[in-house]
Amino acid sequence: QVQLQQSGPGLVKPSQTLSLTCAISGDSVSSNTAAWTWIRQSPSRGLEWLGKTYYRSKWYNDYALFVKSRITINPDTSKNQFSLQLNSVTPEDTAVYYCVREGGAARPFDYWGQGTLVTISS
Amino acid sequence: DIQMTQSPSTLSASVGDRVTITCRASQYISGWLAWYQQKPGKAPKLLIYKASTLESGVPSRFSGSGSGTEFTLTISSLQPDDFATYYCQQYNSYRTFGQGTKVEFK
Repeated sequence: QVQLQQSGPGLVKPSQTLSLTCAISGDSVSSNTAAWTWIRQSPSRGLEWLGKTYYRSKWYNDYALFVKSRITINPDTSKNQFSLQLNSVTPEDTAVYYCVREGGAARPFDYWGQGTLVTISS
Repeated sequence: DIQMTQSPSTLSASVGDRVTITCRASQYISGWLAWYQQKPGKAPKLLIYKASTLESGVPSRFSGSGSGTEFTLTISSLQPDDFATYYCQQYNSYRTFGQGTKVEFK
């Protein structure tokens, strides 16, 4: 059974960097079939896919166009986890952030973390 | 970006009703369409992928159909546990979600 455990601060100041980590159990961040994804949800913007990291003989990243200039998703193979960094945040980035596995073999988002409410406020 | 539009936004129904939710894509997405169920305070749960494939453990009263740009999620006989918000999601190009359909008690 795959489990994803999120950690990170729930309050970030405007213009600073939002950082979250997702620890994986039951699978590997270096899987050749899965992709490791961040999705956020807010009442005003709904569910938004932010990006993913995945390994297919080498590491790749894909990012949503609307955050591409501000986002980094990195794998950490030594700890079997992956992370999200979102720079220059504004109150519009306030949302529940989820780490999610995209399962491969045509299966999309099959395992989700517990969610972290991140509030952008001074 | 591919836009996903669900209808209706809210649906009032009773236990035992047959419920249908529609999802329309702004561009052709073949069968790369998934449906999720979300309850308050919880993460979305995968119900159906590749338009019509039922995820393991999901009751058979849920079904999906469609291809191209028009898709439907049907609940054949609504159960008390089914009152929730449902989202469609395309994975043909990047990933985008519909705005959600809330199924509430009539």
